Amino acid sequence: ETGVTQTPRHLVMGMTNKKSLKCEQHLGHNAMYWYKQSAKKPLELMFVYSLEERVENNSVPSRFSPECPNSSHLFLHLHTLQPEDSALYLCASSQDFPGGLGEAFFGQGTRLTVV
Amino acid sequence: SQKIEQNSEALNIQEGKTATLTCNYTNYSPAYLQWYRQDPGRGPVFLLLIRENEKEKRKERLKVTFDTTLKQSLFHITASQPADSATYLCALDHNQGGKLIFGQGTELSVKP
Repeated sequence: ETGVTQTPRHLVMGMTNKKSLKCEQHLGHNAMYWYKQSAKKPLELMFVYSLEERVENNSVPSRFSPECPNSSHLFLHLHTLQPEDSALYLCASSQDFPGGLGEAFFGQGTRLTVV
Repeated sequence: SQKIEQNSEALNIQEGKTATLTCNYTNYSPAYLQWYRQDPGRGPVFLLLIRENEKEKRKERLKVTFDTTLKQSLFHITASQPADSATYLCALDHNQGGKLIFGQGTELSVKP
């Protein structure tokens, strides 16, 4: 148990659905991240929030919409996804961003399948 | 272009031997490098961090080296055990801003 909790663990959604992924951390960290992990590919950084403000958006399609209402919670809202968006979505948190050396604590991930 | 490369092929070794995994990077100037372990269907777990001014770091059976001239980090597991079987990821900070960029990982299999 890393202290970062993601729900749901598994999600199957149609291309016209709207769903949300949730991430929660009670480690007192000041930065939170969304990563996408596809088979045989490196983790891709999608979004970074520092002190609840988005500081990085790595050219992610607008069908992915993040929300960080406070330093403990992070959401990823999904709509009109494509089958190629099927992947493991990982949330992480760390302390001392920016310029810090904080290790990242990852959640267990949400396995998303788009049909 | 910027790249982080790890051994793309799976590494198979016998129990008790030392496993050595490689992480090479191009066009980055990281202040530190981290290693993570990832088991199937789970998130990565932090193992070790080494700073740019450190040559070597140890933690129990793990050892990491960092050569900023060669732009390479080596990750060693001594006296390996079947329980060490997993995918190992290296990660470095991008633009020294605390944002982690990951390699694709190396799958290690330790046979009894």
